[in-house]
Amino acid sequence: GDSVTQTEGPVTLSEGTSLTVNCSYETKQYPTLFWYVQYPGEGPQLLFKVPKANEKGSNRGFEATYNKEATSFHLQKASVQESDSAVYYCALRYSGGSNAKLTFGKGTKLSVKS
Amino acid sequence: AQTIHQWPVAEIKAVGSPLSLGCTIKGKSSPNLYWYWQATGGTLQQLFYSITVGQVESVVQLNLSASRPKDDQFILSTEKLLLSHSGFYLCAWSRYEQYFGPGTRLTVL
Repeated sequence: GDSVTQTEGPVTLSEGTSLTVNCSYETKQYPTLFWYVQYPGEGPQLLFKVPKANEKGSNRGFEATYNKEATSFHLQKASVQESDSAVYYCALRYSGGSNAKLTFGKGTKLSVKS
Repeated sequence: AQTIHQWPVAEIKAVGSPLSLGCTIKGKSSPNLYWYWQATGGTLQQLFYSITVGQVESVVQLNLSASRPKDDQFILSTEKLLLSHSGFYLCAWSRYEQYFGPGTRLTVL
């Protein structure tokens, strides 16, 4: 079946440093890839999606490139802020079928210290 | 703009008691609807999905059931709670991307 593997957390960074959260996936098809962010006590929010291989998605200073050959979709940010502290989930979805099922990774908890 | 509302915000229930959680979507006609479960500190697991009123498909078996009585409403329920039902329940809707509600925190004692 499909699976998504992320950097194991927790990850603790100082404000102003760079972030990379690794995400790799196993699948027999070409999915749409997503990054979601979840703040404590809230539902996940869509950060961005990338439907096509070799394209980049970005939002709020975060970005990720859909690398079809490496089956990876690493999340990066050049300079994190304390407000970026949250859990980040990589997810994939296939466009076919009536159930647009999202398969999530286990999540990476990020804590940013000032 | 679409809004998604879940109720209640939190519940504390006894093992063996019944449960009903609700979700309402406003501002979107005929959305696909989903229920997810999240253990504390865990990832999200899809439980059910529905593409139309009266039609619900189960994705995993957790002694829970779901119904869609109206186009904008999705209900999750069980007649008998287990300790393992504790966690965070999230409703989501989609047209293309999935958007999640604020969630309901369930504690089973």
